Amino acid sequence: KNQVEQSPQSLIILEGKNCTLQCNYTVSPFSNLRWYKQDTGRGPVSLTIMTFSENTKSNGRYTATLDADTKQSSLHITASQLSDSASYICVVSATGGYNKLIFGAGTRLAVHP
Amino acid sequence: EAGVAQSPRYKIIEKRQSVAFWCNPISGHATLYWYQQILGQGPKLLIQFQNNGVVDDSQLPKDRFSAERLKGVDSTLKIQPAKLEDSAVYLCASSLGTSGRDQETQYFGPGTRLLVL
Repeated sequence: KNQVEQSPQSLIILEGKNCTLQCNYTVSPFSNLRWYKQDTGRGPVSLTIMTFSENTKSNGRYTATLDADTKQSSLHITASQLSDSASYICVVSATGGYNKLIFGAGTRLAVHP
Repeated sequence: EAGVAQSPRYKIIEKRQSVAFWCNPISGHATLYWYQQILGQGPKLLIQFQNNGVVDDSQLPKDRFSAERLKGVDSTLKIQPAKLEDSAVYLCASSLGTSGRDQETQYFGPGTRLLVL
């Protein structure tokens, strides 16, 4: 069964600190993995996308890693800001489908001053 | 470039009533998706359209949910009759291609928050 599991469920950090969010998946055959940011009351917005051959991708202060062998990904946020408070959702796509995405439940991050 | 538009933003109804949601995708996007996001969970795909044809509706509760995309542009999602467990955010998304390739990015609207009492 295709599944995406994220940890932790929620996280509180102080402004300026770094944090790392985890994603494990059992999607096969694997096509790509995305990290989305979802602000409260808004739709998800894509941060990064990685295919099988990529093991790291950066977008500003966000750096995603992918280990296709262990089927794990992480999202590292550097020098957090209050605006980073949101849910971060790991999304995996299987090859050959009509762009069908399997969503994780998300990690809810709160950045406090 | 305008994003995906959805309306209404909020809706409160009583169980057994009917409700409809509207979505206008990004101009030129051939593929349109409806998702249900229950509080604390990731979005779940309800239905996917490619132009005005249905590609995937395997998780749509067809006894009460229906969706259409006439003319391959706007789409409506209807629930009739609503149940308490339908309380959720309904997200519409669109992507560019006609082939529905795996790597196409989906652009999400702000969602409609439904509360069924």
